[in-house]
Amino acid sequence: DGGITQSPKYLFRKEGQNVTLSCEQNLNHDAMYWYRQDPGQGLRLIYYSQIVNDFQKGDIAEGYSVSREKKESFPLTVTSAQKNPTAFYLCASGGQGGETQYFGPGTRLLVL
Amino acid sequence: AQSVTQLDSHVSVSEGTPVLLRCNYSSSYSPSLFWYVQHPNKGLQLLLKYTSAATLVKGINGFEAEFKKSETSFHLTKPSAHMSDAAEYFCVVSDRTGGYNKLIFGAGTRLAVHP
Repeated sequence: DGGITQSPKYLFRKEGQNVTLSCEQNLNHDAMYWYRQDPGQGLRLIYYSQIVNDFQKGDIAEGYSVSREKKESFPLTVTSAQKNPTAFYLCASGGQGGETQYFGPGTRLLVL
Repeated sequence: AQSVTQLDSHVSVSEGTPVLLRCNYSSSYSPSLFWYVQHPNKGLQLLLKYTSAATLVKGINGFEAEFKKSETSFHLTKPSAHMSDAAEYFCVVSDRTGGYNKLIFGAGTRLAVHP
């Protein structure tokens, strides 16, 4: 099956802890994206990557970090600097030059 | 700058009646527009996409949307609602001015379908 997988489905973070959300795609897409979704709001872009070993900040990058060492993988780390991390996190991918983005099932992050 | 406004935060219909979800956009050039659907605690699924080939766009699950440049609208419709249509719907415009494909999301419309 082609698609995007995210893990875990639920993640709990303690105060001062860094946590990493996984995103993998087998669609052979060059571009990958991370979004944050808060209740009653649309999605906001955290980071994006158009090609391996390159990534750029989106609209709300503070307190987050990413890496893009492989085409298939784009993990997101929520650092202790992110003071309000509770949200639903969505990963997406898209073909280079294409506009359509395809989304994974999401990870819900909760703070203990 | 590109933007989208979804005119209703909640819409409630009875099963078997028509659905209308309203979206207005703002764009400095001919836009690409999308509708995505999100069921509770799930990712977003693409319903349909407009890219200037035809003003009436047909999507999955019987949904369609009409691009009206004079009204800057891209409303989503379905002739007959089904219980499984209950979800959150997002109108989205593509912004290519930053050198990459950025999607601008509306705040969403929650559709409730009653028996």
